[in-house]
Amino acid sequence: AIQLTQSPSSLSASVGDRVTITCRASQGFSSALAWYQQKPGKAPKLLIYDASSLESGVPSRFSGSGSGTDFTLTISSLQPEDFATYYCQQFNNYPFTFGPGTKVHIK
Amino acid sequence: EVQLVQPGAEVKKPGESLKISCKGSGYSFINFWIGWVRQMPGKGLEWMGIIYPGDSDTRYSPSFQGQVTISADKSISTAYLQWSSLKASDTAMYYCAIGNGEYFQHWGQGTLVTVST
Repeated sequence: AIQLTQSPSSLSASVGDRVTITCRASQGFSSALAWYQQKPGKAPKLLIYDASSLESGVPSRFSGSGSGTDFTLTISSLQPEDFATYYCQQFNNYPFTFGPGTKVHIK
Repeated sequence: EVQLVQPGAEVKKPGESLKISCKGSGYSFINFWIGWVRQMPGKGLEWMGIIYPGDSDTRYSPSFQGQVTISADKSISTAYLQWSSLKASDTAMYYCAIGNGEYFQHWGQGTLVTVST
């Protein structure tokens, strides 16, 4: 199975900051990667699919990039509602897998 | 509006069986894959498996193969996740979600399964 790691595991940031989260895969693939946001007590929400495509209704401050083994999620200007945990998920090979998550805290 | 409705909580004892449901509405049930995702208390998301209700094609993660059964009844637009003998370590939140068989676009609110004596 493809293993995903995320870095950092947590970060503290201020409103307005640019935030970048990295997802690294144990084997490379083209663009079969999605990003989700999860707030406490809520179901995850799809943000990005196919590594860089923005899901409908998601603010444009979220963007994704990458291919091969290294992928990134960027929040260009952090907003109060963005404090949450973010997960990557690969769908290149079964079994599909999630990364361990990155928690974004308020500084 | 797409909706996936799950029971809020189930409480069971070790060794008991359980089947939790996920009822879909607002979309063509047979044309979207439905998956199940586990989240143990305070932990991350784990992909368990998916089913295509149109033909019941099912894929499992090896971590969950043989431990659970995923099924769907397209006549009532409902998917299921089932255990034959629960363990305390099955205590978790279980989400159903739908998508194109790759990523999940819509999620249920989750079912909290508690297994305790």
